[in-house]
Amino acid sequence: QVQLQESGPGLVKPSQTLSLTCTVSGGSISSGSYYWSWIRQPAGKGLEWIGRIYTSGSTNYNPSLKSRVTISVDTSKNQFSLKLSSVTAADTAVYYCARVGYYYGSGSYVDYFDYWGQGTLVTVSS
Amino acid sequence: DIQMTQSPSSLSASVGDRVTITCRASQSISSYLNWYQQKPGKAPKLLIYAASSLQSGVPSRFSGSGSGTDFTLTISSLQPEDFATYYCQQSYSTPLAAFGPGTKVDIK
Repeated sequence: QVQLQESGPGLVKPSQTLSLTCTVSGGSISSGSYYWSWIRQPAGKGLEWIGRIYTSGSTNYNPSLKSRVTISVDTSKNQFSLKLSSVTAADTAVYYCARVGYYYGSGSYVDYFDYWGQGTLVTVSS
Repeated sequence: DIQMTQSPSSLSASVGDRVTITCRASQSISSYLNWYQQKPGKAPKLLIYAASSLQSGVPSRFSGSGSGTDFTLTISSLQPEDFATYYCQQSYSTPLAAFGPGTKVDIK
C-alpha cells in the first residue's frame, strides 16, 4: 500500500520561499509509470493543482503558479519536493502531495489522483 | 481553460436517501472525469475515475455516469459515513488538472 507524507515548515514569512517534501513509502517512487503531484487547498475553499513531476525529472506546472514553482525529485530518498517562491498570504493553504494514477481504456489514458498524503497546513505570515 | 461547475453547492439529505450530484464542463471532456470525497480535516479520496469506473475498495452504492459535458455522481442509499464534500475533476486537459467547486452533503 503506497503511503505519502508531507513535511516542512508550517509558517513562512511573506516574500520568502515555501519548501515542502513528500516522502513515499510502501513502494519505490520509480516503479511504475507514475507522475507525482502537489495540490493545495485554502481553508474552506476548493482544490488547486500546483504541478507534477515524473521520476525522470520531467515537470508540468499550473500556468497560474509557474513563475514561482519548482518541483524536484530525489529517487534515492523516495521523495519529491515543492518550492514556491515569493509567497503571500494568498498562498496560505493545506498542501497535499498525491500520486497520479492512470487507466487505459478506449485507446486513451485517463489519469487521476489515487493516493494522497494527509496534508500539511502552511501559513504565510510575518 | 476548461471550467467545471457543480450543482447543487450543498444539499441536506437523510440516511437512506438517494443522492445525485451534477458536474458540468464548459466544453466536452469525453469521459475524462473523476470524483472525490473529502471529509473535514482529511485528504480527498478517489471514488470514481473515467466517469463511471469504481475505484477499488469503494462501496457499490457510489456510481458515476455521463460523458461529454454533463456528469453525475449518485449515492444510491446515503450512509452516515457519506456526509462529506464531493469534488469532480477533469483530466481532459492533463497535465492541467481542474477541480469543480465542490458539493457539501450534510445531514437533514
